Amino acid sequence: DADVTQTPRNRITKTGKRIMLECSQTKGHDRMYWYRQDPGLGLRLIYYSFDVKDINKGEISDGYSVSRQAQAKFSLSLESAIPNQTALYFCATSDTDSNQPQHFGDGTRLSIL
Amino acid sequence: SQQGEEDPQALSIQEGENATMNCSYKTSINNLQWYRQNSGRGLVHLILIRSNEREKHSGRLRVTLDTSKKSSSLLITASRAADTASYFCATGRNYQLIWGAGTKLIIKP
Repeated sequence: DADVTQTPRNRITKTGKRIMLECSQTKGHDRMYWYRQDPGLGLRLIYYSFDVKDINKGEISDGYSVSRQAQAKFSLSLESAIPNQTALYFCATSDTDSNQPQHFGDGTRLSIL
Repeated sequence: SQQGEEDPQALSIQEGENATMNCSYKTSINNLQWYRQNSGRGLVHLILIRSNEREKHSGRLRVTLDTSKKSSSLLITASRAADTASYFCATGRNYQLIWGAGTKLIIKP
């Protein structure tokens, strides 16, 4: 089983709909992240959480919200989806040591029509 | 904003040749990391080099870091078809990673 699991893997929805992307991890890491990937732009950080009670905005948090339900679960919501939120979304985890790598799920491909 | 910039954006070489990718960044860092992404998949960590290190090896991978020039290079020796992927550098600072746009590497059989 994957260490970082994202659901759904693909989603097509309409403008204005509320969408939730879910992430769960079995690595026991405190830190979790949500990124967005657009072609040619690399990854951009949406939100990050250093523990259940610590949630922080990233570079591009507008239009998104998150919930850290437990150490192992971190969900991303789009309250009212718009077409320019069409992208590939990744969840990642890391240890508390800043010199440790991040571990990624396989991503959610989200299309908003 | 993107901290790292990879060069070249795309690279196509013959199997067995060496591939070199470069990454430049703008501010001070704690570490620099390289990741690989196969098409449509998540990113896989390859190697992390700390700011006080100059060179690091892992199998066929060699990473160098020059903090005075704010640059790093990733060398893949004896390339294989399975190395075809996009490669990203990410700079670690203040407990976050800031990513470049990646180099797309194609290994021709």
